[in-house]
Amino acid sequence: DVVLTQTPPTLSATIGQSVSISCRSSQSLLHSNGNTYLNWLLQRPGQPPQLLIYLVSRLESGVPNRFSGSGSGTDFTLKISGVEAEDLGVYYCVQSTHAPMYTFGAGTKLELK
Amino acid sequence: EVQLVESGGGLVKPGSSLKLSCVASGFTFSSYGMHWIRQAPKKGLEWIALIYYDSSNKYYADSVKGRFTISRDNSKNTLYLEMNSLRSEDTAMYYCAKGVNFDYWGQGVMVTVSS
Repeated sequence: DVVLTQTPPTLSATIGQSVSISCRSSQSLLHSNGNTYLNWLLQRPGQPPQLLIYLVSRLESGVPNRFSGSGSGTDFTLKISGVEAEDLGVYYCVQSTHAPMYTFGAGTKLELK
Repeated sequence: EVQLVESGGGLVKPGSSLKLSCVASGFTFSSYGMHWIRQAPKKGLEWIALIYYDSSNKYYADSVKGRFTISRDNSKNTLYLEMNSLRSEDTAMYYCAKGVNFDYWGQGVMVTVSS
């Protein structure tokens, strides 16, 4: 089974600070069709998760461009360039490359310092 | 506007059954695969089931295989999760989500399994 390891588990930031979250996969997420199905979700307190980024680096419609994704193979990064208060919550990476077995990372909690 | 609305949760005893529903609107439901994902209290997300757009294929996590059944009725724009032989460890918020990218989620429905 594919395991996604997110680091750090908790991230403390001030408003305006830039932060990065890592998601490392136990297997390559490069699909035979050439796509890499690695997405990032944000779950705000008391809310369902929402999609931020899909296919490693594509911004979902309506998501601010301070969010960006990068990476390939087994190593992926979500960067927030200038944290805002509404960005607080838990970030999850999720892979669909090895569908129908889908895997979520354990999450990274972003909190205010 | 895409909407997914779950219902059918509640408090049940171990060994009981429950059927969840997820009503979809704002997109062509019959064109998309749909998932169920759950989140135990204070825990992370766990994918549990997928059904193809035409019900031709269904897949389950090992933790629910043989006990849970995913189904859909495209004429009613509704996704279902039938849960049997419920255990305390099935206690969680259950979400339905759309498509390969999990691009829309419902608000979730709580299932509590306790004696």
